Amino acid sequence: RKEVEQDPGPFNVPEGATVAFNCTYSNSASQSFFWYRQDCRKEPKLLMSVYSSGNEDGRFTAQLNRASQYISLLIRDSKLSDSATYLCVVLYNNNDMRFGAGTRLTVKP
Amino acid sequence: DAGITQSPRYKITETGRQVTLMCHQTWSHSYMFWYRQDLGHGLRLIYYSAAADITDKGEVPDGYVVSRSKTENFPLTLESATRSQTSVYFCASIQGTGTDTQYFGPGTRLTVL
Repeated sequence: RKEVEQDPGPFNVPEGATVAFNCTYSNSASQSFFWYRQDCRKEPKLLMSVYSSGNEDGRFTAQLNRASQYISLLIRDSKLSDSATYLCVVLYNNNDMRFGAGTRLTVKP
Repeated sequence: DAGITQSPRYKITETGRQVTLMCHQTWSHSYMFWYRQDLGHGLRLIYYSAAADITDKGEVPDGYVVSRSKTENFPLTLESATRSQTSVYFCASIQGTGTDTQYFGPGTRLTVL
């Protein structure tokens, strides 16, 4: 079983749609959680950290459920520019970050 | 403002050859990392370094060697390249703890024939 699991997609949605991605992790000792965005053939870039209380950044909302070892990302009012692969990332300790394989999103006009 | 750079960006080599991938950062970040990214696996940590002359193994270190004689450089060497090492390699750096943002280089696409 992979340590960080994501639905690979692809998710194909129309502009303006709301889309949600899920991620599960296996190590209950995980300390911190993140969503990274990766455009085709580019490097990953931090989208947002995920806090226990849930957090929002514009159209993006991240949730964490430690009891279920589950992380989610919600994107509202999808834009064409949101098309990318979204990586779920879990930090164990000493900068040991484990990445999910990513969920691919395509937003269509 | 160069940030973090990698060279070469593309490399084709043959099985058995030694290959060195370079990583350079201009921020004086303490921590540096090497990852490989393969389809279906996401990024996997090869090695990381907490400071000059301090390195440690990650999840998939076999077949790789690293060094860090200067804070700004973190080269990754494949001592005897194998086809299974065909991948995209990303270098990253971070100033302090894991709660800080990791900044990634643009990646090196390595093909081993």
